[in-house]
Amino acid sequence: SYELTQPPSVSVSPGQTANITCSGDKLGNKYASWYQQKPGQSPVLVLYENTKRPSAIPERLSGSSSGNTASLTISGTQAMDEADYYCQAWDRSTVVFGGGTKLTVL
Amino acid sequence: QVQLQESGPGLVNPSQTLSLTCTVSGDSISSGDYYWSWIRQPAGKGLEWIGRIYTSGSTNYNPSLKSRVTISVDRFQNQFSLRLTSVTAADTAVYFCARETWLVQFNWFDPWGQGAPVTVSS
Repeated sequence: SYELTQPPSVSVSPGQTANITCSGDKLGNKYASWYQQKPGQSPVLVLYENTKRPSAIPERLSGSSSGNTASLTISGTQAMDEADYYCQAWDRSTVVFGGGTKLTVL
Repeated sequence: QVQLQESGPGLVNPSQTLSLTCTVSGDSISSGDYYWSWIRQPAGKGLEWIGRIYTSGSTNYNPSLKSRVTISVDRFQNQFSLRLTSVTAADTAVYFCARETWLVQFNWFDPWGQGAPVTVSS
């Protein structure tokens, strides 16, 4: 079965750039979506089709994809960005989620 | 504004059947523009897709759960439901329903319901 691998944790200082990766076989040939989940809340879609943002999501969140890796980049990271982030893709009639990355803003 | 709301028992006995319903407001399941999915999350762990249904009744399930899962739709009530049989403690989780946009090669979930915590215990 298809797997998506994320680093368990990423730390960043306020105002700096955070990069969260998601790796999977030939993921660059697919399209990744990303979700933000804060404690006790439901996941929220922050990116779809690798790079597109829903209207309510700030421009400092961006995405890219190449080869076997999709990435979520947060520029000018703020305390409010501290959350768990999950990547997701579609493979052979099945939805696959990455294991999630806890972003800590120190 | 589309909203999804899960409902159902918060406690299920082992070996019994878990049943949840998702009520959709602000959109019509019958429109055919989206799929409607169930996703779960054990405490402190990641997200696991359970399955989805289209307005026609067509379904797709996670292969690891397929033998125990049934998702159905009630277009008149604008609801879709989840049944998971023969539950064990491993099925204890928060269960989310979500609207899924699917474009053949890719998909995404937006919005999500607030989640329904379900505990499997006697």
